[in-house]
Amino acid sequence: NAGVMQNPRHLVRRRGQEARLRCSPMKGHSHVYWYRQLPEEGLKFMVYLQKENIIDESGMPKERFSAEFPKEGPSILRIQQVVRGDSAAYFCASSPWDRGPSQPQHFGDGTRLSIL
Amino acid sequence: RKEVEQDPGPFNVPEGATVAFNCTYSNSASQSFFWYRQDCRKEPKLLMSVYSSGNEDGRFTAQLNRASQYISLLIRDSKLSDSATYLCVVNIRGATNKLIFGTGTLLAVQP
Repeated sequence: NAGVMQNPRHLVRRRGQEARLRCSPMKGHSHVYWYRQLPEEGLKFMVYLQKENIIDESGMPKERFSAEFPKEGPSILRIQQVVRGDSAAYFCASSPWDRGPSQPQHFGDGTRLSIL
Repeated sequence: RKEVEQDPGPFNVPEGATVAFNCTYSNSASQSFFWYRQDCRKEPKLLMSVYSSGNEDGRFTAQLNRASQYISLLIRDSKLSDSATYLCVVNIRGATNKLIFGTGTLLAVQP
């Protein structure tokens, strides 16, 4: 009965490299959300995906960031050409939408991204 | 103005004390409300959902006042293990289920 699984737990990249963060939702959940927490700040919504569909990407930076949730496999948050300001904790959450929007979201352990 | 506002604290209280946190939200379309707790550098964990009728879970009581757009959390008989950041969270009515987080209130329970 695994919860939301994220990997890697820690990721170090140099400026200009690409970062790929992975998230597998809880069993039975088909809705995935990505949030970012900058140092000393609150969590900010980035993107909401269902299988093969991006539903809401209003929180995603316009450039360098993309997300997908393929039919098979985990959801991927991809950051191209990383910069120091991308250093943050990235959390993935999932929920069973079929029970309606009042259902709380369950979070993974997060990926701590550090940019050198 | 932030969508969800909380007093950042810290609240330093002795073991056994009762402590209350408040939160206000600005969007009247907010439809679901939660308290999460976050330990240092860990993921947010759901503490409880919040309903207009008020709800209680052991030592924790949450209250929602929709007219005032105000949410509260009361912790009775504080334990050392209650030390954490408490996040006030709302969900906005609409096509998606994205959560809006407050920046959190830090609680430190002292022995």
